[in-house]
Amino acid sequence: GESVGLHLPTLSVQEGDNSIINCAYSNSASDYFIWYKQESGKGPQFIIDIRSNMDKRQGQRVTVLLNKTVKHLSLQIAATQPGDSAVYFCAENVNNDMRFGAGTRLTVKP
Amino acid sequence: DAGVIQSPRHEVTEMGQEVTLRCKPISGHDYLFWYRQTMMRGLELLIYFNNNVPIDDSGMPEDRFSAKMPNASFSTLKIQPSEPRDSAVYFCASRQRGGIGTGELFFGEGSRLTVL
Repeated sequence: GESVGLHLPTLSVQEGDNSIINCAYSNSASDYFIWYKQESGKGPQFIIDIRSNMDKRQGQRVTVLLNKTVKHLSLQIAATQPGDSAVYFCAENVNNDMRFGAGTRLTVKP
Repeated sequence: DAGVIQSPRHEVTEMGQEVTLRCKPISGHDYLFWYRQTMMRGLELLIYFNNNVPIDDSGMPEDRFSAKMPNASFSTLKIQPSEPRDSAVYFCASRQRGGIGTGELFFGEGSRLTVL
């Protein structure tokens, strides 16, 4: 069946550098996407979202890009900090059904 | 608001025993979701409710799993009988309403289940 998947399972960056986490999706009916951050021992937390009629949305230090042509979603984190170390999930919404990708582990080196 | 509250946080049980996980969603949220998280399969949607009615239970693994939402402030996920492969972290999440742009899910801290 159609699913959300991630290109990279792990990503290691230097503190202060920018991070880019990628996600591929295959369900063309997806109308809404969300990035979540999950720290060890906790539930996922909302970072930023984007509707399918947009191609870019910015938050505080984070930017989400959506390319519907190739069904690709990315999360950019500016000036990555140690507190950004976590697993990041993209999720897609189809008819109120929220499905998650496999996740990417981001490690920030001091 | 206290957020989504799940109990127990940790449960260790023996194969064949019944397990009941509980969830209290955020007050006023119309949607409630149950997810299971494992290293192998990631976050899997098991079932979700809208206004206490199950909408999609296609993710429920098998008949050993059942979920109920008797009222707007309480839901249970039951496994009977439990098996070692059910070991996972089970998350409950709630959302205020449906439609695009409103999909932020608020997750509980999870219930870590270990079946020996």
